[in-house]
Amino acid sequence: AAGVIQSPRHLIKEKRETATLKCYPIPRHDTVYWYQQGPGQDPQFLISFYEKMQSDKGSIPDRFSAQQFSDYHSELNMSSLELGDSALYFCASSTGTGVYNEQFFGPGTRLTVL
Amino acid sequence: GQNIDQPTEMTATEGAIVQINCTYQTSGFNGLFWYQQHAGEAPTFLSYNVLDGLEEKGRFSSFLSRSKGYSYLLLKELQMKDSASYLCAVSDSNYQLIWGAGTKLIIKP
Repeated sequence: AAGVIQSPRHLIKEKRETATLKCYPIPRHDTVYWYQQGPGQDPQFLISFYEKMQSDKGSIPDRFSAQQFSDYHSELNMSSLELGDSALYFCASSTGTGVYNEQFFGPGTRLTVL
Repeated sequence: GQNIDQPTEMTATEGAIVQINCTYQTSGFNGLFWYQQHAGEAPTFLSYNVLDGLEEKGRFSSFLSRSKGYSYLLLKELQMKDSASYLCAVSDSNYQLIWGAGTKLIIKP
């Protein structure tokens, strides 16, 4: 069965650079979530999109922005990178924000900021 | 504020049974999820409870008491591959997942 696809899987950047992470949800899933997970920490919700519109916002820094495109894929744009941005970034998708909104997670993008 | 509490770490023996507890205080409740996460990998769905009671799924069971804000994940016949972090997450009134910090389960032979 198709799963959530994230690219790239690994990314190394330097401070003050920019990075773009991509997420391709499971086919027919209309909701995408972005999470940041530092070492030994629980996933921190950043932002979500439903039908190409931002549906919720968590602890996403102002330096980050995201959008969902017409084909439902999503991109997380990160600018002025800081050392503290080094983390695993997970994308998850689901079929809307109904009662049972099981989120299926992608494999994650490991971002290292040097 | 919203809060999910679960033990930081637990140790159990291969073949035994372990229960991982989770207590929560959230603004609204639309279900509780348990996810398994191996180090460096994505969380994978284990169970979902929205009504009180026990949901059994093979070696794993999950229990919910909404009046007590309490859930547990029960793992039977532990295998070495069950060594992972187990994350409790509650869907709040906005259907946003509020995550616990996870319980690292260590299985010993």
